[in-house]
Amino acid sequence: AQTVTQSQPEMSVQEAETVTLSCTYDTSESNYYLFWYKQPPSRQMILVIRQEAYKQQNATENRFSVNFQKAAKSFSLKISDSQLGDTAMYFCAFMKRGGGSQGNLIFGKGTKLSVKP
Amino acid sequence: SAVISQKPSRDICQRGTSLTIQCQVDSQVTMMFWYRQQPGQSLTLIATANQGSEATYESGFVIDKFPISRPNLTFSTLTVSNMSPEDSSIYLCSVSQGAGYEQYFGPGTRLTVT
Repeated sequence: AQTVTQSQPEMSVQEAETVTLSCTYDTSESNYYLFWYKQPPSRQMILVIRQEAYKQQNATENRFSVNFQKAAKSFSLKISDSQLGDTAMYFCAFMKRGGGSQGNLIFGKGTKLSVKP
Repeated sequence: SAVISQKPSRDICQRGTSLTIQCQVDSQVTMMFWYRQQPGQSLTLIATANQGSEATYESGFVIDKFPISRPNLTFSTLTVSNMSPEDSSIYLCSVSQGAGYEQYFGPGTRLTVT
């Protein structure tokens, strides 16, 4: 069974600074996807960034980038130039590609990020 | 990405009763999913709802407790039956788009059972 671990329950960062959220996962699969979702207090889950395991290049979406280390099973999220609107719960998620588990997102417990003015 | 709405946004229910949650998408999607987020916890997949077939339930979730309908490609319902306080959670639907694996979520339904 796959597991996702986020070891930082809470983090804080000053506005305009950079912060990195950690995520590790355990799987015996070779073909999978990884995601970071953001859940602000409004509770709407928002897809931040995705990474296909077969791609070596780290994904980037504007101020958000990942450091994907497949051998180490690590998938950290870096937020640059943090903004007050980045305050939210961040969830790392794993999904096996193909087969009967298509669509089953397995989430970590989340990291609560606070951006301070 | 698809625009997803859920009704109701929140409800307070008596134990022993049932609540049906609706999920509406503004475009046709093949796969829809229902998740539960217990207070202060992460999300757990309840079931996958495909149009024209029975929903597929994850371990620990059964059809009698969480019956699901998927009458067409833009709509699904989840019923929480015979509720107990342990069912107090946020229930979210999601749809799969973008090369078939990205999932986008609705705003959730916050359920409190007293």
